[in-house]
Parts: sequence; C-alpha cells; structure tokens
Amino acid sequence: SQQGEEDPQALSIQEGENATMNCSYKTSINNLQWYRQNSGRGLVHLILIRSNEREKHSGRLRVTLDTSKKSSSLLITASRAADTASYFCATDAPGGGADGLTFGKGTHLIIQP
Amino acid sequence: EAQVTQNPRYLITVTGKKLTVTCSQNMNHEYMSWYRQDPGLGLRQIYYSMNVEVTDKGDVPEGYKVSRKEKRNFPLILESPSPNQTSLYFCASSLFGADTQYFGPGTRLTVL
Repeated sequence: SQQGEEDPQALSIQEGENATMNCSYKTSINNLQWYRQNSGRGLVHLILIRSNEREKHSGRLRVTLDTSKKSSSLLITASRAADTASYFCATDAPGGGADGLTFGKGTHLIIQP
Repeated sequence: EAQVTQNPRYLITVTGKKLTVTCSQNMNHEYMSWYRQDPGLGLRQIYYSMNVEVTDKGDVPEGYKVSRKEKRNFPLILESPSPNQTSLYFCASSLFGADTQYFGPGTRLTVL
C-alpha cells in the first residue's frame, strides 16, 4: 500500500522558531491529512487538505500541497514547548478510500525552551 | 463528549493466553480500524470495518481477529498472543475510511 514519508525523522528547534516538516507520497490522492501524537498517546487530527487545494491554514499551522511533486509540508509558526510531539502525514487510497488512511513514520519534533 | 475508548490501557500477559482489547465509539461512525505502532515502523493497520458485520484485513492481520456486531464496538482479539505482538495498539473511527480519524488513547500490550 502507498505510504507517506515524513522528513526529517527528527527536528529540534528553539521555542519561538518556526518548524517545517515535509511529507512525500507515491501515488495520486484525494486528500492528505496531518496528525499530532504526544508521547504514547492517541493521534489527534490537525488538518486535512484536498487534492484541489494548494494551501490551508489553521491557527499557527500552515499546510501546503504540491500534487505535481507528490509532497506536502506542515509549518508550525512561533513554536511552543507544548508543540513537542510526533507529527504524521496520512494519505487516502486512490479510488475512494475504502481502505482508510496510510500513515507515514512521523517526524519527532522537540521544542527547546 | 465524542470519544473512542479502549480497554485495557495496559496489559501484560503470557504467550498463548487469549485476550481481547475492547474499543467503543460514541460518534455513530461507520468506519473503525485497529493499528499497531512499533518504533521505527510507524502506524500499521491490522484490520478495519466499513460497517456492521463487514470487516477486512489491513497490512498486518496475522495473529489477530476482529468482529463488528454492533456499530459502536470493534474488539480486537488475540487468540494465542506471541512476544512479537508486544506493541502499542490504537483503535480509530471515522465517518468513512478516508475521513478524519478519531483515535483511542492506546493499549500498551506486553506478551512475555
């Protein structure tokens, strides 16, 4: 099954800086989603971007999607210590998504106070 | 409050002793699924269900069973657990497969 791959695997930045994570995928999609996971806890949905959208904002989050490059980026502006978590991209399957989402392995983000 | 609940949250068991992890959602979602999460391997889907009485295999179904007799419940059954099933398990639900998924808090299983 297709899979999104996040890059980098780990990222450590100072509080207040911006954090950018990237996701690449292999085949065409209907939508791409980003999730956050605090250590050992369930994933929480952050944002969904459809294949006909190029950019989407939600609070301090900005997501872009480039379907020609099969890639997406998640930007967190003015990072806070509470943003420390793992971030996953998830893609649906072509043809309607009956199989659900396929998740990447995640980017582990550490915000240094 | 809209939520997905899982029980137990932590479980230590021995090889071969049958166990069930329960999952329940109160959002009237059609789609439910089980994932396991292992270091370096990310989140992998075990089984999913598009509706009551309809279940199908995900990427790693070996050694697991599921049932969907009611819309709200989707238990995961390990008939004969083995140490390689030691993992963090998540149940999730959504309106349909590719929609926003709501995750349970996770069940950390250790098989000795």
